Amino acid sequence: GAGVSQSPSNKVTEKGKDVELRCDPISGHTALYWYRQSLGQGLEFLIYFQGNSAPDKSGLPSDRFSAERTGGSVSTLTIQRTQQEDSAVYLCASNQGSSNQPQHFGDGTRLSIL
Amino acid sequence: GNSVTQMEGPVTLSEEAFLTINCTYTATGYPSLFWYVQYPGEGLQLLLKATKADDKGSNKGFEATYRKETTSFHLEKGSVQVSDSAVYFCALSDLGGGSNYKLTFGKGTLLTVNP
Repeated sequence: GAGVSQSPSNKVTEKGKDVELRCDPISGHTALYWYRQSLGQGLEFLIYFQGNSAPDKSGLPSDRFSAERTGGSVSTLTIQRTQQEDSAVYLCASNQGSSNQPQHFGDGTRLSIL
Repeated sequence: GNSVTQMEGPVTLSEEAFLTINCTYTATGYPSLFWYVQYPGEGLQLLLKATKADDKGSNKGFEATYRKETTSFHLEKGSVQVSDSAVYFCALSDLGGGSNYKLTFGKGTLLTVNP
Protein backbone atom coordinates (compact mmCIF):
# COMPACT_ATOMS: atom_id res chain seq x y z
CA GLY A 1 0.00 0.00 0.00
CA ALA A 2 0.96 3.66 -0.21
CA GLY A 3 3.34 4.96 2.39
CA VAL A 4 3.93 8.48 3.66
CA SER A 5 4.59 10.77 0.72
CA GLN A 6 6.60 13.99 0.96
CA SER A 7 7.26 16.67 -1.61
CA PRO A 8 9.45 18.09 -2.90
CA SER A 9 12.24 15.59 -2.30
CA ASN A 10 14.81 18.38 -2.65
CA LYS A 11 14.48 22.13 -2.30
CA VAL A 12 17.18 24.72 -2.80
CA THR A 13 16.31 28.32 -2.04
CA GLU A 14 17.92 31.60 -1.20
CA LYS A 15 18.19 32.93 2.31
CA GLY A 16 15.17 35.04 3.22
CA LYS A 17 12.69 33.22 0.97
CA ASP A 18 9.68 31.30 2.28
CA VAL A 19 9.32 27.56 1.65
CA GLU A 20 6.45 25.09 1.92
CA LEU A 21 6.97 21.39 2.49
CA ARG A 22 4.15 18.90 1.98
CA CYS A 23 3.32 15.61 3.67
CA ASP A 24 0.62 13.13 2.66
CA PRO A 25 0.25 10.55 5.47
CA ILE A 26 -0.89 6.96 5.25
CA SER A 27 -4.64 6.80 4.78
CA GLY A 28 -6.46 6.27 8.07
CA HIS A 29 -3.59 7.43 10.26
CA THR A 30 -4.89 10.02 12.69
CA ALA A 31 -1.53 11.22 14.00
CA LEU A 32 1.03 13.13 11.94
CA TYR A 33 4.49 14.23 13.08
CA TRP A 34 7.17 16.48 11.63
CA TYR A 35 10.84 15.98 12.53
CA ARG A 36 14.06 17.62 11.40
CA GLN A 37 17.30 15.73 10.79
CA SER A 38 20.49 17.74 10.75
CA LEU A 39 24.15 16.85 11.24
CA GLY A 40 24.61 18.84 14.39
CA GLN A 41 21.30 18.17 16.13
CA GLY A 42 20.34 14.66 15.04
CA LEU A 43 16.61 13.93 14.80
CA GLU A 44 14.41 16.55 16.48
CA PHE A 45 10.65 16.66 16.93
CA LEU A 46 8.96 19.74 15.48
CA ILE A 47 5.16 19.45 15.62
CA TYR A 48 2.42 16.86 16.18
CA PHE A 49 -1.16 16.67 14.92
CA GLN A 50 -3.73 14.25 16.32
CA GLY A 51 -7.19 14.17 14.78
CA ASN A 52 -9.04 17.43 15.34
CA SER A 53 -7.12 18.36 18.48
CA ALA A 54 -4.96 21.46 18.69
CA PRO A 55 -1.45 20.64 17.44
CA ASP A 56 1.49 20.30 19.81
CA LYS A 57 3.92 22.93 18.50
CA SER A 58 6.42 22.59 21.33
CA GLY A 59 9.28 21.53 19.06
CA LEU A 60 9.12 24.40 16.57
CA PRO A 61 12.45 26.24 16.84
CA SER A 62 11.16 29.75 16.11
CA ASP A 63 8.06 31.67 15.08
CA ARG A 64 9.26 31.49 11.47
CA PHE A 65 8.07 27.88 11.48
CA SER A 66 4.40 26.96 11.19
CA ALA A 67 2.37 23.98 10.07
CA GLU A 68 -1.18 23.11 9.28
CA ARG A 69 -3.11 19.97 8.57
CA THR A 70 -6.17 20.29 6.39
CA GLY A 71 -9.08 17.89 6.69
CA GLY A 72 -7.15 15.63 9.01
CA SER A 73 -4.94 14.46 6.15
CA VAL A 74 -2.33 16.42 4.20
CA SER A 75 0.01 18.66 6.18
CA THR A 76 2.14 21.61 5.09
CA LEU A 77 5.19 22.85 7.00
CA THR A 78 6.04 26.46 6.20
CA ILE A 79 9.31 28.17 6.97
CA GLN A 80 9.31 31.95 6.52
CA ARG A 81 12.38 34.09 5.91
CA THR A 82 14.64 31.06 5.72
CA GLN A 83 18.06 31.12 7.33
CA GLN A 84 21.09 28.95 6.59
CA GLU A 85 20.64 27.07 9.85
CA ASP A 86 17.29 25.83 8.51
CA SER A 87 19.18 23.60 6.06
CA ALA A 88 18.27 20.02 7.03
CA VAL A 89 16.18 17.04 6.02
CA TYR A 90 12.56 17.49 7.10
CA LEU A 91 10.82 14.20 7.84
CA CYS A 92 7.13 13.49 8.17
CA ALA A 93 5.69 10.44 9.93
CA SER A 94 2.23 9.10 10.69
CA ASN A 95 0.59 6.43 12.83
CA GLN A 96 -2.64 5.56 14.61
CA GLY A 97 -1.81 7.90 17.47
CA SER A 98 -0.64 5.61 20.26
CA SER A 99 2.77 4.95 21.80
CA ASN A 100 2.98 1.28 20.81
CA GLN A 101 2.22 1.87 17.14
CA PRO A 102 5.38 2.54 15.12
CA GLN A 103 5.60 5.75 13.18
CA HIS A 104 5.95 5.34 9.43
CA PHE A 105 8.29 7.84 7.82
CA GLY A 106 8.39 9.47 4.42
CA ASP A 107 11.64 9.85 2.51
CA GLY A 108 11.95 13.45 3.63
CA THR A 109 12.58 16.81 1.97
CA ARG A 110 16.21 17.88 1.80
CA LEU A 111 16.21 21.67 2.24
CA SER A 112 19.28 23.67 1.32
CA ILE A 113 19.46 27.40 2.03
CA LEU A 114 22.04 29.28 -0.01
CA GLY B 1 12.28 14.83 30.08
CA ASN B 2 12.86 11.76 27.94
CA SER B 3 16.26 10.93 26.51
CA VAL B 4 18.01 8.16 24.60
CA THR B 5 21.72 7.45 24.69
CA GLN B 6 23.21 5.11 22.15
CA MET B 7 26.74 4.08 21.54
CA GLU B 8 28.85 6.40 19.49
CA GLY B 9 29.94 5.22 16.10
CA PRO B 10 31.13 4.59 13.63
CA VAL B 11 31.22 0.82 13.98
CA THR B 12 33.16 -1.15 11.39
CA LEU B 13 32.85 -4.94 11.24
CA SER B 14 33.74 -7.77 8.92
CA GLU B 15 31.00 -9.85 7.36
CA GLU B 16 29.64 -12.55 9.70
CA ALA B 17 30.84 -10.73 12.83
CA PHE B 18 28.62 -10.29 15.89
CA LEU B 19 27.00 -6.89 16.33
CA THR B 20 25.93 -5.07 19.48
CA ILE B 21 24.78 -1.47 19.54
CA ASN B 22 24.05 -0.27 23.07
CA CYS B 23 21.03 1.87 23.87
CA THR B 24 19.84 3.18 27.23
CA TYR B 25 16.95 5.49 27.94
CA THR B 26 15.37 7.81 30.46
CA ALA B 27 11.61 8.20 30.45
CA THR B 28 8.98 9.49 32.85
CA GLY B 29 6.34 6.89 32.01
CA TYR B 30 6.24 3.45 30.39
CA PRO B 31 7.71 3.93 26.95
CA SER B 32 7.56 1.82 23.84
CA LEU B 33 11.01 1.26 22.36
CA PHE B 34 12.05 1.10 18.72
CA TRP B 35 15.04 0.59 16.50
CA TYR B 36 14.92 2.38 13.16
CA VAL B 37 17.39 1.93 10.30
CA GLN B 38 18.37 4.39 7.60
CA TYR B 39 20.09 2.87 4.57
CA PRO B 40 22.24 5.17 2.41
CA GLY B 41 20.06 7.62 0.49
CA GLU B 42 16.83 6.31 2.00
CA GLY B 43 14.34 7.30 4.70
CA LEU B 44 13.88 5.88 8.17
CA GLN B 45 12.48 2.36 8.35
CA LEU B 46 11.24 0.54 11.42
CA LEU B 47 13.53 -2.37 12.21
CA LEU B 48 11.90 -3.71 15.39
CA LYS B 49 9.93 -2.68 18.45
CA ALA B 50 9.05 -3.71 22.01
CA THR B 51 6.19 -2.23 23.95
CA LYS B 52 6.64 -3.58 27.48
CA ALA B 53 9.26 -4.91 29.85
CA ASP B 54 10.93 -8.20 28.85
CA ASP B 55 9.47 -8.06 25.33
CA LYS B 56 11.91 -9.08 22.63
CA GLY B 57 11.62 -7.43 19.25
CA SER B 58 13.14 -9.20 16.25
CA ASN B 59 13.40 -8.74 12.51
CA LYS B 60 15.87 -9.69 9.75
CA GLY B 61 18.11 -11.47 12.26
CA PHE B 62 18.27 -8.44 14.57
CA GLU B 63 17.02 -8.66 18.16
CA ALA B 64 16.57 -6.32 21.09
CA THR B 65 15.10 -6.99 24.54
CA TYR B 66 13.30 -4.34 26.62
CA ARG B 67 15.10 -4.33 29.97
CA LYS B 68 13.27 -2.15 32.46
CA GLU B 69 15.66 -2.84 35.32
CA THR B 70 18.62 -1.50 33.35
CA THR B 71 16.56 0.88 31.14
CA SER B 72 18.21 -0.61 28.08
CA PHE B 73 17.28 -1.84 24.62
CA HIS B 74 20.51 -3.07 23.05
CA LEU B 75 20.47 -4.15 19.39
CA GLU B 76 22.19 -7.43 18.46
CA LYS B 77 22.76 -9.54 15.39
CA GLY B 78 24.71 -12.76 15.34
CA SER B 79 26.17 -12.50 11.84
CA VAL B 80 26.15 -9.20 9.97
CA GLN B 81 26.12 -8.83 6.19
CA VAL B 82 27.43 -6.11 3.91
CA SER B 83 23.81 -5.16 3.22
CA ASP B 84 23.36 -4.26 6.92
CA SER B 85 25.57 -1.20 6.44
CA ALA B 86 23.39 1.71 7.53
CA VAL B 87 22.71 4.18 10.35
CA TYR B 88 20.78 2.69 13.29
CA PHE B 89 18.64 4.83 15.60
CA CYS B 90 17.25 3.83 18.98
CA ALA B 91 14.04 5.66 19.89
CA LEU B 92 11.31 5.78 22.49
CA SER B 93 7.70 6.88 22.44
CA ASP B 94 6.23 8.07 25.69
CA LEU B 95 3.69 10.61 26.79
CA GLY B 96 6.11 12.08 29.29
CA GLY B 97 3.28 13.78 31.08
CA GLY B 98 1.98 15.41 27.94
CA SER B 99 -0.33 14.26 25.20
CA ASN B 100 2.14 13.70 22.40
CA TYR B 101 3.56 10.33 21.38
CA LYS B 102 6.53 11.93 19.71
CA LEU B 103 9.67 9.86 19.24
CA THR B 104 12.81 10.75 21.12
CA PHE B 105 15.84 9.50 19.19
CA GLY B 106 19.40 8.64 20.00
CA LYS B 107 22.07 10.27 17.86
CA GLY B 108 22.43 7.27 15.57
CA THR B 109 25.20 4.73 15.02
CA LEU B 110 26.80 4.32 11.60
CA LEU B 111 27.55 0.66 10.88
CA THR B 112 29.85 -0.33 8.03
CA VAL B 113 30.23 -4.02 7.21
CA ASN B 114 33.17 -4.98 5.03
CA PRO B 115 33.25 -8.12 2.89
